Amino acid sequence: NAGVTQTPKFRVLKTGQSMTLLCAQDMNHEYMYWYRQDPGMGLRLIHYSVGEGTTAKGEVPDGYNVSRLKKQNFLLGLESAAPSQTSVYFCASSYSINIYEQYFGPGTRLTVT
Amino acid sequence: AQTVTQSQPEMSVQEAETVTLSCTYDTSESDYYLFWYKQPPSRQMILVIRQEAYKQQNATENRFSVNFQKAAKSFSLKISDSQLGDAAMYFCAYRSGSGTYKYIFGTGTRLKVLA
Repeated sequence: NAGVTQTPKFRVLKTGQSMTLLCAQDMNHEYMYWYRQDPGMGLRLIHYSVGEGTTAKGEVPDGYNVSRLKKQNFLLGLESAAPSQTSVYFCASSYSINIYEQYFGPGTRLTVT
Repeated sequence: AQTVTQSQPEMSVQEAETVTLSCTYDTSESDYYLFWYKQPPSRQMILVIRQEAYKQQNATENRFSVNFQKAAKSFSLKISDSQLGDAAMYFCAYRSGSGTYKYIFGTGTRLKVLA
């Protein structure tokens, strides 16, 4: 049982490049989330999903897209990376409306130059 | 909209002593959940403790306990017998009990434990 995993752990992009971050969970969780963490700002929600095939915008969705084609996977895409997207990205999942704890992945450190 | 405020960017505690981290929140909801998460240098977010708003009794997990003051919208974390391994960033988080599935995090408090 690996919990929540994220791929890759580190990445450096040049401005304008695109990439996809992969989040996978093996706990059969319904809900999945993408956050970014910046110094002094805590975790801010980018997008989230309440089930396979669904996605919704969070607090800071601009510049990002997501897809949840399979229940266990939640992908975060950057179509044209900008230096402002330099951050640490966390994926999280939770089971259902009756279980409220989020389980987090180890994070992806992304640098955009 | 709900907000979560952690007014202490950094705290220090002597090993074996007790420290309290503060968190206040703002909401008009009556049903919600509050959490404290720990983030050590490894970056892995770890749930420390959870409190349901409908419960009057303060949650406790071993050396960790909360002081939940619903009327004052305060949710502080007390760490007793502090250990070196407690050094980390601590985040307070809020989740609505209905409707949205979003969590709102505070900006964090960095706890240093002095040997």
